[in-house]
Amino acid sequence: AQKITQTQPGMFVQEKEAVTLDCTYDTSDQSYGLFWYKQPSSGEMIFLIYQGSYDEQNATEGRYSLNFQKARKSANLVISASQLGDSAMYFCAMRESAGGTSYGKLTFGQGTILTVHP
Amino acid sequence: DSGVTQTPKHLITATGQRVTLRCSPRSGDLSVYWYQQSLDQGLQFLIQYYNGEERAKGNILERFSAQQFPDLHSELNLSSLELGDSALYFCASSSPAGGGKSYEQYFGPGTRLTVT
Repeated sequence: AQKITQTQPGMFVQEKEAVTLDCTYDTSDQSYGLFWYKQPSSGEMIFLIYQGSYDEQNATEGRYSLNFQKARKSANLVISASQLGDSAMYFCAMRESAGGTSYGKLTFGQGTILTVHP
Repeated sequence: DSGVTQTPKHLITATGQRVTLRCSPRSGDLSVYWYQQSLDQGLQFLIQYYNGEERAKGNILERFSAQQFPDLHSELNLSSLELGDSALYFCASSSPAGGGKSYEQYFGPGTRLTVT
């Protein structure tokens, strides 16, 4: 069974600084995908970034980058130049492959609450 | 805006009642996923539909059921509600019919269910 572990219940960062949110995963699949979502206090889930297990380069999306270390089974999210609006809950998730044209469910970690201080 | 819509946004009901949550996926997306987010269980996958057919089941209670209609919208039916069913229910969609980034799942705003 797939498992996602986020060991940091809460993180604090100063505005304009970079912060790393940790995520480790466990799977026996060779093909899988890793995601990060942001959930602000309003509740919606916002897709941030995706990394495929066969992608050789780390994914980047604007200020977000994913530090993918396959051998260590880690997929840490790095947020550069933090902004006050980055304060939210962040979830790491893994997709299992369902085959065909349908991609599988997401398994989520417990989340990390990020607080950005001015 | 993810393009996924969910109604209603909030729902307050009593124990023993039945409710229906509705989801419209992004235009062209064939897959719909339902997730439940509660304080004690975190975010859990409930069920997935692809082009009208059930594809995968997670920790979905027997009191819960879902379906996806020909126009691809989906409904999650929750019956004999208990206090513990209070949660935020998300719908997500993926697998655009025309191809593209089918691995991405875009979430709707959620329906917050309160059972009193």
